[in-house]
Amino acid sequence: GAVVSQHPSWVICKSGTSVKIECRSLDFQATTMFWYRQFPKQSLMLMATSNEGSKATYEQGVEKDKFLINHASLTLSTLTVTSAHPEDSSFYICSASRGHVPSYEQYFGPGTRLTVT
Amino acid sequence: AQTVTQSQPEMSVQEAETVTLSCTYDTSESDYYLFWYKQPPSRQMILVIRQEAYKQQNATENRFSVNFQKAAKSFSLKISDSQLGDAAMYFCAFTNEKLTFGTGTRLTIIP
Repeated sequence: GAVVSQHPSWVICKSGTSVKIECRSLDFQATTMFWYRQFPKQSLMLMATSNEGSKATYEQGVEKDKFLINHASLTLSTLTVTSAHPEDSSFYICSASRGHVPSYEQYFGPGTRLTVT
Repeated sequence: AQTVTQSQPEMSVQEAETVTLSCTYDTSESDYYLFWYKQPPSRQMILVIRQEAYKQQNATENRFSVNFQKAAKSFSLKISDSQLGDAAMYFCAFTNEKLTFGTGTRLTIIP
């Protein structure tokens, strides 16, 4: 149990376009979902936290207008990178948790590699 | 703010031997959780082991065990009988509201 999927696993888009990444909890209801960004050979950096039905909480330095997060249901969260630029190229990972604060175990998706040309 | 430090960027161990990965953290909180995650080349994050701060007993999961020293804010991972499949990046993580990851240790298994 506790499987999280992400779609797509890899996406290439042109500079200036927008791309949407989906994160789904397949066999449980996720009260909280998290979005991370991972640069090559670096650690995961939390971008934002979202709870179903409420606005996402963004970490300091993350542009909320560029990285739109929607947590429409207890099993789906989406990250939309708007007006993407090459510097947005990265590996994006979502995770889902059954619990609220303090965070309990997070179940991670397999990640999405975004390349902006 | 919480910080997590992994001072060993890379480690290697002979197959079947034991290796210990180090992790220290800094927090003023008393209630929190600590994790070790494994990230193989597929980049899927896999939970290895979890420790609740209020529990004095060190967590164990088969060949994986931790040495949790709360006063010293230390949380090391011991892998016994290392196997080729253990080769990966290992991240130590702290949470009481959100996960903060260390910089990772790349573990290589020597056949």
